[in-house]
Amino acid sequence: EPEVTQTPSHQVTQMGQEVILRCVPISNHLYFYWYRQILGQKVEFLVSFYNNEISEKSEIFDDQFSVERPDGSNFTLKIRSTKLEDSAMYFCASSGGAGAETQYFGPGTRLLVL
Amino acid sequence: AQSVTQLGSHVSVSEGALVLLRCNYSSSVPPYLFWYVQYPNQGLQLLLKYTSAATLVKGINGFEAEFKKSETSFHLTKPSAHMSDAAEYFCAVRPPSQKLVFGQGTRLTINP
Repeated sequence: EPEVTQTPSHQVTQMGQEVILRCVPISNHLYFYWYRQILGQKVEFLVSFYNNEISEKSEIFDDQFSVERPDGSNFTLKIRSTKLEDSAMYFCASSGGAGAETQYFGPGTRLLVL
Repeated sequence: AQSVTQLGSHVSVSEGALVLLRCNYSSSVPPYLFWYVQYPNQGLQLLLKYTSAATLVKGINGFEAEFKKSETSFHLTKPSAHMSDAAEYFCAVRPPSQKLVFGQGTRLTINP
């Protein structure tokens, strides 16, 4: 069964460093998403991406964040200058459509900012 | 704005007992509703979803949920708990946008 994959599974970085989290969505999907889950808190929406542009973003997704689909298979989340409060589990998801279409989640990348 | 409330951050049941995980939502329009499960060190896996067809929705692993518009609820049930059901369960609503709005999650523990 096709699945969403994410790399790395864990990343430790120093405050102020840039990180890039990578995702390979399911191959025929058109919509891509990033969510995050701070330890002990809700899963929160960050951004959705369709047709090579951001279609929706939350207030969390500020200028420090960017997304890209560089080569037609990968979908990346970049955090330019990490802060302590960026420590969280980051989930990538993809779906074949909008509305009732199921979003399929990857296993997550656990980011720790020191 | 749409929101989801899951009553009970922890639920503990005995093996073989009924599982009931509660979810209430607020939405100004008929929503799409989802239950996801997260096993330790894994991602979120869809259990079931409501998309305005049948109000009783059957999912994987013997789970089902009933959409009750009058109560704005979408509670998840399973008649007989199994040890392998121990996990965190998330209810989510999808408003007329692309994002999922999640509840805070309920950790289900199964006692032998």
